[in-house]
Amino acid sequence: QQQVKQSPQSLIVQKGGISIINCAYENTAFDYFPWYQQFPGKGPALLIAIRPDVSEKKEGRFTISFNKSAKQFSLHIMDSQPGDSATYFCAASVASSGDKIIFGKGTRLHILP
Amino acid sequence: KAGVTQTPRYLIKTRGQQVTLSCSPISGHRSVSWYQQTPGQGLQFLFEYFSETQRNKGNFPGRFSGRQFSNSRSEMNVSTLELGDSALYLCASSLETGSGTQYFGPGTRLTVL
Repeated sequence: QQQVKQSPQSLIVQKGGISIINCAYENTAFDYFPWYQQFPGKGPALLIAIRPDVSEKKEGRFTISFNKSAKQFSLHIMDSQPGDSATYFCAASVASSGDKIIFGKGTRLHILP
Repeated sequence: KAGVTQTPRYLIKTRGQQVTLSCSPISGHRSVSWYQQTPGQGLQFLFEYFSETQRNKGNFPGRFSGRQFSNSRSEMNVSTLELGDSALYLCASSLETGSGTQYFGPGTRLTVL
């Protein structure tokens, strides 16, 4: 049973545009929602994360929007750059249950120069 | 600080063999988790070790096992390899279990022939 659904599978955005990736979860016990960025040949790297007590978190060009009632959250990348081209994973975990992370299937983002 | 290191980086085995992968966490990190990454299934949690004890386990058969040593280094073992075990195996470490912030290594690419 897939507990975190991510869309789209792939995304092409013009340089300078806004990239938007959406995720939905089922388990209401989740209390930590990180986003990871992965480049080819590398392991995933934590990009930004949010807890359900806030509706938005911004770090530089990256923003997470969180809708607890809809059980949805999204990543917005403003002013997208070719260097942002990577695979992005949304994820969720229950902090009291340790470090077990449930990942979405990933979105391959390509920024056109 | 050095990041998470995994050895070997690449491995080729044949069906029926067994394999041991190694992970050295970031210095001071006490929790180590393992994930399997495949194109079809994405990133799937295998298990987590904290203070030499398995704290969490994913939905994988008993052929997959792991352990953690007193210096927090971890190993995972896969016995009786199957073709479907071909994957990128990723190790992640965190300061304390449930802290949320996990740092991933580059992974070990296992190919089963």
